[in-house]
Amino acid sequence: GAGVSQSPSNKVTEKGKDVELRCDPISGHTALYWYRQSLGQGLEFLIYFQGNSAPDKSGLPSDRFSAERTGGSVSTLTIQRTQQEDSAVYLCASRGTAGPAYEQYFGPGTRLTVT
Amino acid sequence: QKEVEQDPGPLSVPEGAIVSLNCTYSNSAFQYFMWYRQYSRKGPELLMYTYSSGNKEDGRFTAQVDKSSKYISLFIRDSQPSDSATYLCAMENTDKLIFGTGTRLQVFP
Repeated sequence: GAGVSQSPSNKVTEKGKDVELRCDPISGHTALYWYRQSLGQGLEFLIYFQGNSAPDKSGLPSDRFSAERTGGSVSTLTIQRTQQEDSAVYLCASRGTAGPAYEQYFGPGTRLTVT
Repeated sequence: QKEVEQDPGPLSVPEGAIVSLNCTYSNSAFQYFMWYRQYSRKGPELLMYTYSSGNKEDGRFTAQVDKSSKYISLFIRDSQPSDSATYLCAMENTDKLIFGTGTRLQVFP
């Protein structure tokens, strides 16, 4: 079956512009996570959606970052007024309702470069 | 201080060598300990998980957890060039994962 997909795979944007990154989770997975992976920083948790519950936004680094999940499926991560330090790979992961936290399936990521 | 510390490497070994990868952590509440493998330009994939202290073996891979020392290890026996990847340790904290920085491993023929 299809895994987690993300688009675009690469995005180059100018400093100050807004960007939207898309994640299509595995069908039926109710939990969805966004992470940021910077050089030498490992994966940094950003936000977590679980079903219809309020998302856990505790990892968002600033109010320029936001995410939404429509219809319990597709999610969009938006970064407003991008800065050079936002350059990183943004990874999305999903898991089933009953699955433990470690059973997350990751997409290939979106590589964002802010010039 | 980060909650999870991991040497970023890179680590370069010859084919057939035994590889040891390690992480330390500071939060004694962690109960699940994971190792993920990430190939270049791909997302991480779960390699192994361990609950609480002890060892777990899966083929050429062995995961060890020492909660008293807050130290976890992944051993790879008879390493192969196909094992060349970045290995990330992770721990669960209330439905979220806390990752180490990852260790880049290169196995040369």
